[in-house]
Amino acid sequence: RKEVEQDPGPFNVPEGATVAFNCTYSNSASQSFFWYRQDCRKEPKLLMSVYSSGNEDGRFTAQLNRASQYISLLIRDSKLSDSATYLCVVNSYSGGYQKVTFGTGTKLQVIP
Amino acid sequence: NAGVTQTPKFRILKIGQSMTLQCTQDMNHNYMYWYRQDPGMGLKLIYYSVGAGITDKGEVPNGYNVSRSTTEDFPLRLELAAPSQTSVYFCASTRAGTTDTQYFGPGTRLTVL
Repeated sequence: RKEVEQDPGPFNVPEGATVAFNCTYSNSASQSFFWYRQDCRKEPKLLMSVYSSGNEDGRFTAQLNRASQYISLLIRDSKLSDSATYLCVVNSYSGGYQKVTFGTGTKLQVIP
Repeated sequence: NAGVTQTPKFRILKIGQSMTLQCTQDMNHNYMYWYRQDPGMGLKLIYYSVGAGITDKGEVPNGYNVSRSTTEDFPLRLELAAPSQTSVYFCASTRAGTTDTQYFGPGTRLTVL
């Protein structure tokens, strides 16, 4: 089983739609969680951190479910500019050092 | 702050040539990482460093070497370039601590012919 798993998609959604992605992780001792966005041929950039209580940033909402070991990202009122690959990132400690594990990403295509 | 910078942006190598991909960060981050990303695929960790003088292998280290003589610099060396090393290479850094995010450089696009 992969440490971090995501549905690769693509998710093709019309403008204005709501779309949700999930990401599961296998290490129950994981300590911090993030969603990154990666545009085609560009570097990944932090979209938002994911907190236990859930958090919102404009049209984006992130949730963490530690019991079921998954995180989610909800995008409301999708814009064409939201088209990108969304990477789930999980941090933990391994051998005394921080370990960062990326999912392979979920591709979103917002269509007019 | 410039953040994480990488040079060169693009490079074409012939099989068997060697080169060094440069990575520098000015955020005084302890941790630095090298990833490669093949077309349509996810990031794969090549090497990482938790501080000056300390490096360790990631998921796909074969064919690469690294050094970390300073906090700022983390160069990646390809000794004998092979077509399988055609990829986009990203360097990233983070401050120690699991709540911190990674900051990425813009990437180096390498083609080996």
